[in-house]
This record gives sequence, structure tokens and C-alpha cells, in this order.
Amino acid sequence: GQQVMQIPQYQHVQEGEDFTTYCNSSTTLSNIQWYKQRPGGHPVFLIQLVKSGEVKKQKRLTFQFGEAKKNSSLHITATQTTDVGTYFCAGRFTDKLIFGTGTRLQVFP
Amino acid sequence: EAQVTQNPRYLITVTGKKLTVTCSQNMNHEYMSWYRQDPGLGLRQIYYSMNVEVTDKGDVPEGYKVSRKEKRNFPLILESPSPNQTSLYFCASSPRTGSTEAFFGQGTRLTVV
Repeated sequence: GQQVMQIPQYQHVQEGEDFTTYCNSSTTLSNIQWYKQRPGGHPVFLIQLVKSGEVKKQKRLTFQFGEAKKNSSLHITATQTTDVGTYFCAGRFTDKLIFGTGTRLQVFP
Repeated sequence: EAQVTQNPRYLITVTGKKLTVTCSQNMNHEYMSWYRQDPGLGLRQIYYSMNVEVTDKGDVPEGYKVSRKEKRNFPLILESPSPNQTSLYFCASSPRTGSTEAFFGQGTRLTVV
């Protein structure tokens, strides 16, 4: 079946350092979405990427979709304590939205 | 306010006692789904529904049932809960299949003893 793998599982950074999480699919995706879940909260949509090679930015966050539409990354520049949480990618396979295992980010002040 | 509402937020129950977790959305969304979240496993889809009276299995449907009699409601039913169904459950909705973002409910933390 379809699988979406995400690495790393955990990342601890000092405030101001950069952070990247990677997402890989076993099959080609229709699109990929990214979500953030704050501790104790629910996943909240960040962005969707649809086109091969697409790059989108949201302030300090940069999202990329691979050329083969099988991988994606989220990069945060100069992390802040407000970035703490778990980041999930989610790949769209026709009717299903398959989530990655998530990367838990901890930021130390 | 546009939202997805789940109830209850917390539930402790005993093995074998049937329970229902309700989910309701007020955004007229066609697509609804249930996920369970477990440490190290991320969010796994249990069931989804593309519209009224249309439901299908996700990746981990065993031990669960759903129904979609009305567009706004998508309850999750555990006929005979077991301890391995102890988890955090999320209901989500989207405007339509394959469209943009999924809106999540606040979550239901279920413990089966």
C-alpha cells in the first residue's frame, strides 16, 4: 500500500538554528500537504504543493516538492520557540490523504 | 465559526462496552475522515467518506464502524473496544475529495481498560 515516510522523528535545536524535515513516498503523489500540530493540539494546515519542483515560502518556512512528486521537504530558517510542535507531511493518493509519521521539533531558548 | 466538533474530548471505558465518538462539521464539506494518532506512527486513516452514504476503509479499519447518514455528521463506532484501541482520535473534513486542506477536530483521547 501507499506509504509516506518522514525523517527525522525528533529534532532538538537551539533557537536561531535552522531545521529541515524530509518526506518520502513509495509512489507518485497527486499533491502533498504540510500540517503543524502544537503540543496538546490538533493538526493545522500549513500549505499544499501540487506541481513538480514547486517551491513555496511562508515567512521563515520554505516548502519544496520533488521533481518526481515523490518527496518533499520543509525548511525553517532561524527557528523560534513558537515553532515548537510536530510537523506532518500528508500525501494525496486519489481519495486518500496519507500522513507521514511526523517530526517533533523542540526549540531551546 | 467554521469548525469540526468532536465529542467527547476524553473517554475512559472498559473492554467490550460499545461506544460512539461523534463528529460534526458546519462547513458543508463533502469529505470526512477519521484518524488515530499513536506515538511513532503518526496519523493513520481509519475510515473516510466522500459524501452522504458513501464510506470506505482507510489503512486501519479493523474494530471500527462509521456511518454517513447526513452530510454534517460522521460518527465513529467501536462495537467492542479493546485495549489496543487506546489512542488519540481525530475527525477531519475537506470541501471535496482531492481538494485543499483538511480541517481537524480537537481530538478525542480514548482509553480502554
